[in-house]
Amino acid sequence: DGGITQSPKYLFRKEGQNVTLSCEQNLNHDAMYWYRQDPGQGLRLIYYSQIVNDFQKGDIAEGYSVSREKKESFPLTVTSAQKNPTAFYLCASSIVPGTDTQYFGPGTRLTVL
Amino acid sequence: AQSVTQLGSHVSVSEGALVLLRCNYSSSVPPYLFWYVQYPNQGLQLLLKYTTGATLVKGINGFEAEFKKSETSFHLTKPSAHMSDAAEYFCAVSDPGDYKLSFGAGTTVTVRA
Repeated sequence: DGGITQSPKYLFRKEGQNVTLSCEQNLNHDAMYWYRQDPGQGLRLIYYSQIVNDFQKGDIAEGYSVSREKKESFPLTVTSAQKNPTAFYLCASSIVPGTDTQYFGPGTRLTVL
Repeated sequence: AQSVTQLGSHVSVSEGALVLLRCNYSSSVPPYLFWYVQYPNQGLQLLLKYTTGATLVKGINGFEAEFKKSETSFHLTKPSAHMSDAAEYFCAVSDPGDYKLSFGAGTTVTVRA
């Protein structure tokens, strides 16, 4: 079955540590996205990538980094510079960038201890 | 940038009653419009979308939404609520050609037996 996988489902981190969240898709989609979800705030865009080896900052990129070395993979690193990283992180992809439907992974819940 | 307003952060309905979730957006041009549903600790699933054409859009699970340009609205309805409809619902909007989806804050639906 085609889809988007995110791992791990739950992640705990100590303050000052960097952590990397995995996102893999086998849908052959060109575009991939990372969102952060906090209660009562909807989803906010962190980074997006329209094509391999290219990515752009979204609305809340500070304290995060990404890479897009392969079409199917778009990992997100939450760095120690992110002041409030505890949140639910969602990865999405779409066939083409822009107005096409975005398909979401199951999410990773990150908790900073 | 698009602004999306979902009126009411929580909606409670009786099983079998009408479900009405409101979404208004700010845009000077007709946007692309989406409704997503999220079950606890899961990713988002597309319910329906409007791009062009017929303004009444039918989606999965008996939901439908109507695009009203004059009211800049895209309200979601379901004639008869089922217990399985208990979830959080997000309205999302993008301008044609834009990469970005702007999400509303979400509406949590509870269904009373």
